[in-house]
Amino acid sequence: DVKVTQSSRYLVKRTGEKVFLECVQDMDHENMFWYRQDPGLGLRLIYFSYDVKMKEKGDIPEGYSVSREKKERFSLILESASTNQTSMYLCATGGREPYEQYFGPGTRLTVT
Amino acid sequence: ILNVEQSPQSLHVQEGDSTNFTCSFPSSNFYALHWYRWETAKSPEALFVMTLNGDEKKKGRISATLNTKEGYSYLYIKGSQPEDSATYLCAFGGSGDKLTFGTGTRLAVRP
Repeated sequence: DVKVTQSSRYLVKRTGEKVFLECVQDMDHENMFWYRQDPGLGLRLIYFSYDVKMKEKGDIPEGYSVSREKKERFSLILESASTNQTSMYLCATGGREPYEQYFGPGTRLTVT
Repeated sequence: ILNVEQSPQSLHVQEGDSTNFTCSFPSSNFYALHWYRWETAKSPEALFVMTLNGDEKKKGRISATLNTKEGYSYLYIKGSQPEDSATYLCAFGGSGDKLTFGTGTRLAVRP
């Protein structure tokens, strides 16, 4: 079974803090993704990565950056957290065709 | 940004009822259509992936159909059970391996 783990289930941070969300997968998948989920908006892609040190912007990258130093680990970074980044963050990993994605349990981040 | 729409937004049914939801997506540059089930406090779980027009998939009481020419997929649940309560997401895969998700249909099944 694919296992995708995220560093925290719940996180509370203050405005302006630097926040790291970590995701680790054990399936040797090349592709990894970060999404956020907000009520009424569905899952929106923030960033994704095809390989180590490779990253591509998704649909809503503003205010975020990512790091992929090892194949199994993909980190999402909020350089200076803001209240509009309060959300549920989901990491996913993707295999080859037909590109099914496997999700972590999510991190509910609250920025106060 | 691609437009993937799901309807209804939410649904409340009685145990034993059969139900269905719709996902509509762009009919051009189609590669695959995915359905996921997302239960509260759990990870979204893949149900089906369909790639060919006319595909039908089945897993127990849940089945799905695909029409790529008109850009829609239906998910059916026969004899709903309380454990079917979840949000059902569809995701459109165009060329490449990114997915565009719909906003989901939240299903609540009353015992």
